[in-house]
Amino acid sequence: DIVMTQSPDSLAVSLGERATVNCKSSQSVLYSSNNKNYLAWYQQKPGQPPKLLISWASTRESGVPDRFSGSGSGTDFTLTISSLQAEDVAVYYCHQYYSTPRTFGQGTKLEIK
Amino acid sequence: EVQLVESGGGLVQPGGSLRLSCAASGFTFSSYWVHWVRQAPGKGLVWVSYINSDGSTTRYADSVKGRFTISRDNAKNTLYLQMNSLRVEDTAVYYCARGASGTPNDYWGQGTLVTVSS
Repeated sequence: DIVMTQSPDSLAVSLGERATVNCKSSQSVLYSSNNKNYLAWYQQKPGQPPKLLISWASTRESGVPDRFSGSGSGTDFTLTISSLQAEDVAVYYCHQYYSTPRTFGQGTKLEIK
Repeated sequence: EVQLVESGGGLVQPGGSLRLSCAASGFTFSSYWVHWVRQAPGKGLVWVSYINSDGSTTRYADSVKGRFTISRDNAKNTLYLQMNSLRVEDTAVYYCARGASGTPNDYWGQGTLVTVSS
């Protein structure tokens, strides 16, 4: 199984400042035949299901604000929120869909400082 | 509008059974794989199972293999999860989520809570 490890577990950032969440996979999720990273980022607010923010490591889903961006390749990935807004308070999960069983990171709780 | 609505959760004793349903609408259900993902109270997301579009292929997490069975009725646009021999550690919110082969889960239901307790 591919183990996904996020850092930090929790993060407090001031409004308007940058927030960065890291994710490391225990093996590469880059599929060589199409050069795509099978890595997604989800946002989950209390009492709600996860919401897909980014797929293929860096492709923002329709309607997701452009302050959210994803980067990385192979085994190391980053979710960046360029200017934190109050509505971004949530738990963020990375997720690999490269192989079964699909696995998630443990989550990073983002709060306002 | 894509919608996934889970039902069937509740309180069950250890060793008992429960069947979850997930009613889909707003898309061509028979063209998509569908997954079950669970989340224990205050914990993270854990993939449970998936079924491909025509139901011919299923896969399970080791923790539920042999106890849970995923199935679908494309005529009724409904996904199922039959859960037998339930354990306390199966307590969680169970989400159904749409996803094709090699793509992330893009739409999720609101979830249904399963509580296994004596």
